[in-house]
Amino acid sequence: AQSVAQPEDQVNVAEGNPLTVKCTYSVSGNPYLFWYVQYPNRGLQFLLKYITGDNLVKGSYGFEAEFNKSQTSFHLKKPSALVSDSALYFCAVRDGWSNDYKLSFGAGTTVTVRA
Amino acid sequence: EAQVTQNPRYLITVTGKKLTVTCSQNMNHEYMSWYRQDPGLGLRQIYYSMNVEVTDKGDVPEGYKVSRKEKRNFPLILESPSPNQTSLYFCASSFRAEANTEAFFGQGTRLTVV
Repeated sequence: AQSVAQPEDQVNVAEGNPLTVKCTYSVSGNPYLFWYVQYPNRGLQFLLKYITGDNLVKGSYGFEAEFNKSQTSFHLKKPSALVSDSALYFCAVRDGWSNDYKLSFGAGTTVTVRA
Repeated sequence: EAQVTQNPRYLITVTGKKLTVTCSQNMNHEYMSWYRQDPGLGLRQIYYSMNVEVTDKGDVPEGYKVSRKEKRNFPLILESPSPNQTSLYFCASSFRAEANTEAFFGQGTRLTVV
């Protein structure tokens, strides 16, 4: 079984401040981790992924995420948030050893960046 | 432009009236899937397809059907919709079924069943 937890329903930050969106995961096999962003009335857009290698992954729009195997976490970060980063963020996990390639999503975190 | 296209974007229907939500991708992707998004639950997979004529159930398949007769199309069929199927639906595609490929999503279909 695999699952994702996003412990915060909402994150509020001021523009220019660091932004962190938390994600923890559970898989039986090898975790492949993804972050997606959803803007209002839009589909999900891919931000970044961790498959293997360097634990710090850089993605689109200045976002990065750090894979921590011991803490089973994959937190999304941005050093300086913009108002345009306000959106709904989803963390997702796949088990690299599974044959069904199922992608499991967290419940989502709404980010609001105030000017 | 590479994209996943869903139609319709919005649909209000009555209980029991069969409907189809279409999904088409122009990226020659092998893997396609359908999700429903509900507040507080994130996205849950309904059905997926690893290639033409190959489909399988996801986490919440009850009340839904799919078909994959062509690589580019993956329609979602609700034979007898019920109010608990009111939701936001997303179609997604990936280049292959391998676990390391990211998914591309359509813009969503907001379905209301009254």
